[in-house]
Amino acid sequence: NAGVTQTPKFQVLKTGQSMTLQCAQDMNHEYMSWYRQDPGMGLRLIHYSVGAGITDQGEVPNGYNVSRSTTEDFPLRLLSAAPSQTSVYFCASSYGLAGPSYEQYFGPGTRLTVT
Amino acid sequence: RKEVEQDPGPFNVPEGATVAFNCTYSNSASQSFFWYRQDCRKEPKLLMSVYSSGNEDGRFTAQLNRASQYISLLIRDSKLSDSATYLCVVEGYNFNKFYFGSGTKLNVKP
Repeated sequence: NAGVTQTPKFQVLKTGQSMTLQCAQDMNHEYMSWYRQDPGMGLRLIHYSVGAGITDQGEVPNGYNVSRSTTEDFPLRLLSAAPSQTSVYFCASSYGLAGPSYEQYFGPGTRLTVT
Repeated sequence: RKEVEQDPGPFNVPEGATVAFNCTYSNSASQSFFWYRQDCRKEPKLLMSVYSSGNEDGRFTAQLNRASQYISLLIRDSKLSDSATYLCVVEGYNFNKFYFGSGTKLNVKP
């Protein structure tokens, strides 16, 4: 199993550009989520999905869109990049929603810089 | 008030020392608690889940104190390889959401 994969690993955008961060998992996990990690802030939840066709907002959803058309893929779209979106983005997945099933597996992250 | 709070450290300890971290949480209804480990510029990885009765995995012991709303992580006989940031994770008000603490940095020195 490849686990959770993310592309690209690094990206530099200019203010106002849009782009999609890709995330895929091959573990047949229902639950997928996107986090951003900023210095001193910990990981903050952007959006999450509990299954194909179902998404919901996390703590910091503004400026981001998601969709979940398949179990495997959960792309994150930046609509109009802003310097405040400079961060490290992690995608995560887990098998279930209760007890030990909650273990989240993380992708290697995408380091995004917006100039 | 933050959902989850941790002392950022760093905790600088010699090899072989015992070190403990605490993490406080605000949602008294939370049922799921975890400790994750994050190495520099890497993704977080699960270290251990925290059960009501406490649990131990080798040199690592996790405890839950519901009355005071905190969880703890104890590391015995610290190794150089334990140097990392330890993230506390707590289930949120919406059971589909998890909140991460900002992490406690541990440096184990020879």
